[in-house]
Amino acid sequence: TQLLEQSPQFLSIQEGENLTVYCNSSSVFSSLQWYRQEPGEGPVLLVTVVTGGEVKKLKRLTFQFGDARKDSSLHITAAQPGDTGLYLCAVYNRAGTALIFGKGTTLSVSS
Amino acid sequence: EAGVAQSPRYKIIEKRQSVAFWCNPISGHATLYWYQQILGQGPKLLIQFQNNGVVDDSQLPKDRFSAERLKGVDSTLKIQPAKLEDSAVYLCASSLGRGHRGTEAFFGQGTRLTVV
Repeated sequence: TQLLEQSPQFLSIQEGENLTVYCNSSSVFSSLQWYRQEPGEGPVLLVTVVTGGEVKKLKRLTFQFGDARKDSSLHITAAQPGDTGLYLCAVYNRAGTALIFGKGTTLSVSS
Repeated sequence: EAGVAQSPRYKIIEKRQSVAFWCNPISGHATLYWYQQILGQGPKLLIQFQNNGVVDDSQLPKDRFSAERLKGVDSTLKIQPAKLEDSAVYLCASSLGRGHRGTEAFFGQGTRLTVV
């Protein structure tokens, strides 16, 4: 059973469109991270959310942590080709030692 | 600040051969991870070190995979013998702490392994 379920798995859109990707779980987490991975590179941290209901903005990216701290969403406004990549959500395991990833959403933005 | 260094970037081997990957984490980072990433999927944790001790190796196929982190700095991951299903990107990551409430993990560029 996958701890983190991400949807959609693939998303292909045109430049300028808006989109939302989701990260869901039946477990409660003390924090949740979003990473972006570009082709041929390792994942890079975008944001960490720690409080239920928290909203964080990073330029055109808006991250929200669910009130119950079981899920999160990432909304991109006016997507650009540079947003293309694999978006991964991640949490630490119960022991707080190991970082566990979802399977990711592959986003392709064409101009 | 130098990032996580991995080598080689690419490796092609025949099945049943052996291969080794090397990782040099960010200076001062006590925690080191090895992940396996199948194309288009999220990274899967193989093993985690805290300094030179193993914290979690529950997902490591120990019949063929081994890893060590001598002196608590560099690490090597070895596969012997390799199988076709081992074709993946092997990512090394390091973090300053042990992972409490959102410690950031820093990743290397990975080694893309193709087993033919």
